[in-house]
Amino acid sequence: AQSVTQLDSHVSVSEGTPVLLRCNYSSSYSPSLFWYVQHPNKGLQLLLKYTSAATLVKGINGFEAEFKKSETSFHLTKPSAHMSDAAEYFCVVSPFYSGGYQKVTFGTGTKLQVIP
Amino acid sequence: NAGVTQTPKFQVLKTGQSMTLQCAQDMNHEYMSWYRQDPGMGLRLIHYSVGAGITDQGEVPNGYNVSRSTTEDFPLRLLSAAPSQTSVYFCASSSIRDGSYGYTFGSGTRLTVV
Repeated sequence: AQSVTQLDSHVSVSEGTPVLLRCNYSSSYSPSLFWYVQHPNKGLQLLLKYTSAATLVKGINGFEAEFKKSETSFHLTKPSAHMSDAAEYFCVVSPFYSGGYQKVTFGTGTKLQVIP
Repeated sequence: NAGVTQTPKFQVLKTGQSMTLQCAQDMNHEYMSWYRQDPGMGLRLIHYSVGAGITDQGEVPNGYNVSRSTTEDFPLRLLSAAPSQTSVYFCASSSIRDGSYGYTFGSGTRLTVV
């Protein structure tokens, strides 16, 4: 069984300040973890992924996330928010194995507001 | 550009009407799926396919049918539309040869049933 919890449904930051979006997961298998971003009226775009290699993962647009097994967390961070970062962000977990179907579980999303 | 193409982008249906949402990908991905997105509920899996001729139900399959006659196409059929099916629908694909790949999503179909 697996689940993912995004701890904040809304986060508001000022432009130029750090961003922290929190995600906790549970998985019976060694997980793959992903963050997706969805801008208004758009599809979801992959930001970054963790697949049992380096625990600090760098993604697009200056975002990064750190896999912490002891805390079962995969929080998304960015040092300095930009207005274009305003969007909804989804944390996703799936068991890591190749050659078979991956059951993927989505979090309920965190809406990031960036204040000028 | 390579990716997932969904049509139409917007649709309004009357209760009881049927329609097909189209999804096509050109990345030779084995896995394709349909999700619906509703406020506060994240994305919920409707149906998925791991290859041509193979489909299976997700967590919310009632009222929807799918088929996968080719690797590229994965249409979603609404048999008799109901207001509860008002939602945004996303098609997604990925390669399952390497389980570490993330999904590629289409841009969505916004469906309203009146």
